[in-house]
Amino acid sequence: AQSVTQLGSHVSVSEGALVLLRCNYSSSVPPYLFWYVQYPNQGLQLLLKYTTGATLVKGINGFEAEFKKSETSFHLTKPSAHMSDAAEYFCAVSRNTGGFKTIFGAGTRLFVKA
Amino acid sequence: NAGVTQTPKFRILKIGQSMTLQCAQDMNHNYMYWYRQDPGMGLKLIYYSVGAGITDKGEVPNGYNVSRSTTEDFPLRLELAAPSQTSVYFCASTADGGNTEAFFGQGTRLTVV
Repeated sequence: AQSVTQLGSHVSVSEGALVLLRCNYSSSVPPYLFWYVQYPNQGLQLLLKYTTGATLVKGINGFEAEFKKSETSFHLTKPSAHMSDAAEYFCAVSRNTGGFKTIFGAGTRLFVKA
Repeated sequence: NAGVTQTPKFRILKIGQSMTLQCAQDMNHNYMYWYRQDPGMGLKLIYYSVGAGITDKGEVPNGYNVSRSTTEDFPLRLELAAPSQTSVYFCASTADGGNTEAFFGQGTRLTVV
């Protein structure tokens, strides 16, 4: 069975500092990998995704993530945090198991301090 | 361009009552999903559908039922509400397989008392 582990339920950074949100997955075959963001009282929005090809993926709002198969990781980074980045971030994995099912991690809430 | 629409946004139910959470999408997506979100637990898949007339269980299906009579609609039914079903429910859709973006509704906040 596939699963997703996000290290750290809460991460706090100062404005302008590096953002690093960690995600590890377990899957017997390479999955599709996603990062979603959720702002308060809203649904989830796609930040970026990895399906095939280049392992460094760029998304919206300056975020990027790198797929590392040897480490089974898909960590999300942003060089310089902005106050508007404060939100909850979810890593997700999906693969065809007789019908695609996307499994989400528990989420990491990002706080940005002025 | 409505995307995925969920109704209602909020609901309070008494134990044992039943209700249907509505979900509709206007993007002609084949795949639709119901998730519940509990604090610190992420999103748990309740049921999903790969097309009209086809549904399957997710991780936490007990206490829920679904149907998919049309491509557009995917209602979630709670037959006998229990306090453990207090949660925020999200409906989502994807065009096809799992390598495409999921579009989410705004969520339904359900409280069972």
